[in-house]
Amino acid sequence: DTAVSQTPKYLVTQMGNDKSIKCEQNLGHDTMYWYKQDSKKFLKIMFSYNNKELIINETVPNRFSPKSPDKAHLNLHINSLELGDSAVYFCASSQGFAEFLSGANVLTFGAGSRLTVL
Amino acid sequence: GENVEQHPSTLSVQEGDSAVIKCTYSDSASNYFPWYKQELGKRPQLIIDIRSNVGEKKDQRIAVTLNKTAKHFSLHITETQPEDSAVYFCAASIVTEKYGNKLVFGAGTILRVKS
Repeated sequence: DTAVSQTPKYLVTQMGNDKSIKCEQNLGHDTMYWYKQDSKKFLKIMFSYNNKELIINETVPNRFSPKSPDKAHLNLHINSLELGDSAVYFCASSQGFAEFLSGANVLTFGAGSRLTVL
Repeated sequence: GENVEQHPSTLSVQEGDSAVIKCTYSDSASNYFPWYKQELGKRPQLIIDIRSNVGEKKDQRIAVTLNKTAKHFSLHITETQPEDSAVYFCAASIVTEKYGNKLVFGAGTILRVKS
């Protein structure tokens, strides 16, 4: 039983295309995140949703649009892909907003989706 | 500020030796400090965390120390084994005006344990 699952695991596409990465968690968590890990291994938060509501939106291009149909799912759609978007994208979840408010965001990560833009 | 500095960026140790990774943070309101381990090609996983009301926490061969005055915290791994080889990330909860709390990660340390 995978706690945080994301698909696809690998994605190779051409510049200018639009692609989506899906994420689902079965932990009953209220808060979900998207992180980007670039080639230098930096882990940077992109978005966070709590119970379908956007709570963190870091400085990412408008081409990136998260969508949370329910609190167990947080999908990432990327328009007009660029070479610099190549990275590993990690979905993560944490228990709830109270934890978030207290700062104790114990994150459970998905396995990552490696996006390669050619 | 939202900076979490992590050193060293790479660390090689002989099997059985100890490894220490240090992080500093800038936000005096930070109160939660986790450490994540990421093996090659795998997801980051929490290995230990510490809250600001505690100065030290230990779990078998892993320990974390926190110095709130100096705003730094460290990961100590004793009796290192080859399976400890991985990238280790520290993180600190940062209070932001815009979002409340969020975790900010250090840049990571590549630990290699040579057998």
